[in-house]
Amino acid sequence: QVQLVQSGAEVKKPGASVKVSCKASGYTFTNYHMHWVRQAPGQGPEWLGIINPSGDVTTYAQKFQGRITVTTDTSTSTVYMELSSLTSEDTAFYYCARDIVSNRMPLNYLDRWGQGTLVTVSS
Amino acid sequence: EIVLTQSPATLSLSPGERATLSCRASQSVSNYLAWYQQKPGQAPRLLIFDASYRATGIPARFSGSGSGTDFTLTISSVEPEDFAVYYCQQRSKFLTFGGGTKVEIK
Repeated sequence: QVQLVQSGAEVKKPGASVKVSCKASGYTFTNYHMHWVRQAPGQGPEWLGIINPSGDVTTYAQKFQGRITVTTDTSTSTVYMELSSLTSEDTAFYYCARDIVSNRMPLNYLDRWGQGTLVTVSS
Repeated sequence: EIVLTQSPATLSLSPGERATLSCRASQSVSNYLAWYQQKPGQAPRLLIFDASYRATGIPARFSGSGSGTDFTLTISSVEPEDFAVYYCQQRSKFLTFGGGTKVEIK
């Protein structure tokens, strides 16, 4: 079955960077785009960005341009999301989520999600 | 950025009742809208995409309708496992989510 398993919780100081991993299994990794979404406590989800199956094309939400990097390692079916210059407002659960379609063009609906990684930013 | 406004914020219902949730977009998103269900401690789960198509494995009591700026998620008869928070999401221009509607037990 499809599984997305994320790395564990992180505690970071303001100004630091965090890198979260998402290991996929149960499907052909190179057929699907992967999204990153975050959710602060008590808030709705917020989309961060997307990477194509081969890992050479990314699109980021304008709000995070310049401080987010999403990469893939196709040899291990793992996607990474790095966010820099952290502030307390970045405290949230971070999720990887697979696009719904197996296609060169994503449909931008999210049908399989990781379990979430809590990132806490505190001095 | 396309803003999605969900109403009501909280819906109090008894099992067996009908649930009607609303999502309004700040500009037209055509039919490019999805609905997700989220339970405490879990990731969101896709219910409906392209306004009215049920995702794989979603029960028929969930239905979606609407186009343009006004959308509705209907649960025809609420089951105990349906008490959760529901979010809408548009894909017309990048992706944005609504603030959610909590369906709670009356």
